[in-house]
Amino acid sequence: AQSVTQPDIHITVSEGASLELRCNYSYGATPYLFWYVQSPGQGLQLLLKYFSGDTLVQGIKGFEAEFKRSQSSFNLRKPSVHWSDAAEYFCAKRIIFGKGTRLHILP
Amino acid sequence: DTEVTQTPKHLVMGMTNKKSLKCEQHMGHRAMYWYKQKAKKPPELMFVYSYEKLSINESVPSRFSPECPNSSLLNLHLHALQPEDSALYLCASSQLGTQKLNSPLHFGNGTRLTVT
Repeated sequence: AQSVTQPDIHITVSEGASLELRCNYSYGATPYLFWYVQSPGQGLQLLLKYFSGDTLVQGIKGFEAEFKRSQSSFNLRKPSVHWSDAAEYFCAKRIIFGKGTRLHILP
Repeated sequence: DTEVTQTPKHLVMGMTNKKSLKCEQHMGHRAMYWYKQKAKKPPELMFVYSYEKLSINESVPSRFSPECPNSSLLNLHLHALQPEDSALYLCASSQLGTQKLNSPLHFGNGTRLTVT
């Protein structure tokens, strides 16, 4: 069965610091991969997606992700986080979601 | 503003009640989804409709009954629920087709359901 693993349940970073959230996926011929963000009490919003082409994809809110087939990874990055980035982040393969990583921002 | 509208935003119901959750989208998407999300957990897929036909049922108990009356509407009928069914119920939609497998899900803001 297709699966997505997010190894970190919680991540805490200081405002202005860089961020990397990890995501590993089970092997598939074409890994349709997505990152979504969820603020409390809200639905999920798409940050970015990958299915082919350039392995570094840019998303909204200054996020980017790099697809590495050799490592079965699709990690999300941001060079400098803002307090408003505090939220739950989900990696997904098609319509199946990882367990999520909750991002905390220190002032 | 979300392009997928869910009503009501909050719902409290007793275990003997019958209620319905509603979801509407006008993006022309032909796939619609119901997810259940418990606190601090990821969304769990419940049902998928493709071209108004049920294509996936993730072994959901029969007290949850989905309905897709047309390409813009998706309902979830609830009957004889249990307190453990309390959760955020999310509706989503996406494009369909072999050229659309990279289409993301568009989510509503959900219905917060409490079963007493």
